Amino acid sequence: GQQLNQSPQSMFIQEGEDVSMNCTSSSIFNTWLWYKQDPGEGPVLLIALYKAGELTSNGRLTAQFGITRKDSFLNISASIPSDVGIYFCAGQLFDAGGTSYGKLTFGQGTILTVHP
Amino acid sequence: DTEVTQTPKHLVMGMTNKKSLKCEQHMGHRAMYWYKQKAKKPPELMFVYSYEKLSINESVPSRFSPECPNSSLLNLHLHALQPEDSALYLCASSQAQGSYEQYFGPGTRLTVT
Repeated sequence: GQQLNQSPQSMFIQEGEDVSMNCTSSSIFNTWLWYKQDPGEGPVLLIALYKAGELTSNGRLTAQFGITRKDSFLNISASIPSDVGIYFCAGQLFDAGGTSYGKLTFGQGTILTVHP
Repeated sequence: DTEVTQTPKHLVMGMTNKKSLKCEQHMGHRAMYWYKQKAKKPPELMFVYSYEKLSINESVPSRFSPECPNSSLLNLHLHALQPEDSALYLCASSQAQGSYEQYFGPGTRLTVT
């Protein structure tokens, strides 16, 4: 099955620093989604990307859908303590009626720690 | 509003108990999902419902039984679970099955004793 390689696995940064994480795949995806999850809570959708080359911002967050459709990155600018959590990328194939239809393939997550 | 609600928040059950998890959304979404998540791991898909019909079952053991009574509700019936089934159970919904954004609920923390 498809696998997503998400890196880094963890990051320890100072408040105010910028953060960058990425996901790569051997498969081509039609959609990339980025989620943040706080302990004991469900993942919260941050950004959705639908077109190759698309660059989308949401406040201090910026994400891009790679031109090859096999990768995506997420940047967080000027980090703050509430950015702490686990960030997951997820890719989705468009496989109408197929066995992968509607399934999300998740990366293993990036654990972000922000020191005040 | 992109809210998916789940009840209960926490559940402790014995291996001989029968319990149910509930999920609700009022976004008019026609696809709903159950995921299982272990600590510090990504969610793992269990079931997909599309237009209230079961579309995908990821070879989940029969001790987990999903039900979609209507387009807004999704249940997961639990019976004779094992301690290794302890996890965070997440519900999600999307506009339809396919390349659409999935919105997750807060989850039910299940502990099997």
